[in-house]
Formats: sequence, structure tokens, C-alpha cells
Amino acid sequence: AQTVTQSQPEMSVQEAETVTLSCTYDTSESDYYLFWYKQPPSRQMILVIRQEAYKQQNATENRFSVNFQKAAKSFSLKISDSQLGDAAMYFCAYRSNTNTDKLIFGTGTRLQVFP
Amino acid sequence: GAGVSQSPSNKVTEKGKDVELRCDPISGHTALYWYRQSLGQGLEFLIYFQGNSAPDKSGLPSDRFSAERTGGSVSTLTIQRTQQEDSAVYLCASNFYRTSGPQAQFFGPGTRLTVL
Repeated sequence: AQTVTQSQPEMSVQEAETVTLSCTYDTSESDYYLFWYKQPPSRQMILVIRQEAYKQQNATENRFSVNFQKAAKSFSLKISDSQLGDAAMYFCAYRSNTNTDKLIFGTGTRLQVFP
Repeated sequence: GAGVSQSPSNKVTEKGKDVELRCDPISGHTALYWYRQSLGQGLEFLIYFQGNSAPDKSGLPSDRFSAERTGGSVSTLTIQRTQQEDSAVYLCASNFYRTSGPQAQFFGPGTRLTVL
């Protein structure tokens, strides 16, 4: 079975600085998808970024980028120019390339942003 | 509506009672998912619908949990004889199904269930 591990329960960053959130996963599959979701206090999960395992190029979305290391099974999220609105829980998620389409989540990292 | 909606937003019930949680997916989304978020277990998958059928219900924790989806739209998650360990936030998500690959799941705001 696949597992996702987020080893940083909490992280903090100064506004305008850069922070990296870690995620590792375990799988025997070669084709899969990885996601980062943000959950603010409103509870609404919001997709931040996604990565297809067959793509070597790291995904980027504005201030958010990932460092995808397939051999190491690592999928970290870098937030540049951090803003107060980035404060939230961040979840890393794995999706197998099978029919089920379910997401397997890590335990989350709470990010605090200080002015 | 523009996004996934869930009702009620909060539900307090007594141990042993049955509860029904509702999810309205984004219009046109064929796939619908239920997840549970609790302090002890994190975010867990419960069940996945494609249209009205549920090809994966492997995450339902016991036979007290059931879900249905009618008309390929609204879904109801039912918990019978609630227990205190059922207390959690129940999240619903939906997306399109495309053979080209998985699409991002769009989540609702969740229902916070408290079992006294």
C-alpha cells in the first residue's frame, strides 16, 4: 500500500521569505500523480500544485514550485515571497494511476507566516 | 452552484443516533469522493463514486457507514448508531473523469460532526 509522510508538523516563515515543506512517499508503482493541497481555517481544501510522475520537469504555479525527486520518492513544496495569506495547513497527496482515483494524504504541515 | 457544497456545516448528535450528511458536487462532475478528517487518523478516503456507482468503497470503516448517489449528482453519507469515534470533519470532493488522466479534486467546506 502507498503511504505519504510529512515529517514537519509545523513550519514558520517571515513574510516575503522562502519556505520549503517536505513530503516523501512510498510506492511500488511507476506511474502516479502527486498533489499539494492547502487548507486554511475555513476548512476548504484548495489545490496548490500537481505533478505527474512521468514528467521530469518540476511543476510551478506562480510563487509555488515543487522539487520532485522520483528516485528518492520526495516531493517538496517551495513557497517563494511568502504572504500572510499562505498561512494554512498544507497536505501532500498521492494518487495512483488506477481506476480508484482516491487521494492518499500525508498528516499535514501547519505553516505560520509572520509579518 | 460554483463550488462543492455540503450540509449541514456542523452537526451535533447523541451517541446511538443516525446522521445524514449531504454533498452537492460541482455541476457536471461525474466523480464524487468522501473523506474523513480526524485528529487521530488524519485525512482518510471513505468512498468514491463514478456516476451513481461506487467502484471503490474500501475506506468505509464499518457497516454503520453507507453512502449513495442519485441522478449522478447529490450524495448522502449515512452513519448509523453513531459512536464518539465518528466525530470528525467529513469532506466531499468532486471532479471530471477523463481518460487522459486524473483531474484535480475540488473540495467542499466539510461537515463537522460531533458525537456526544
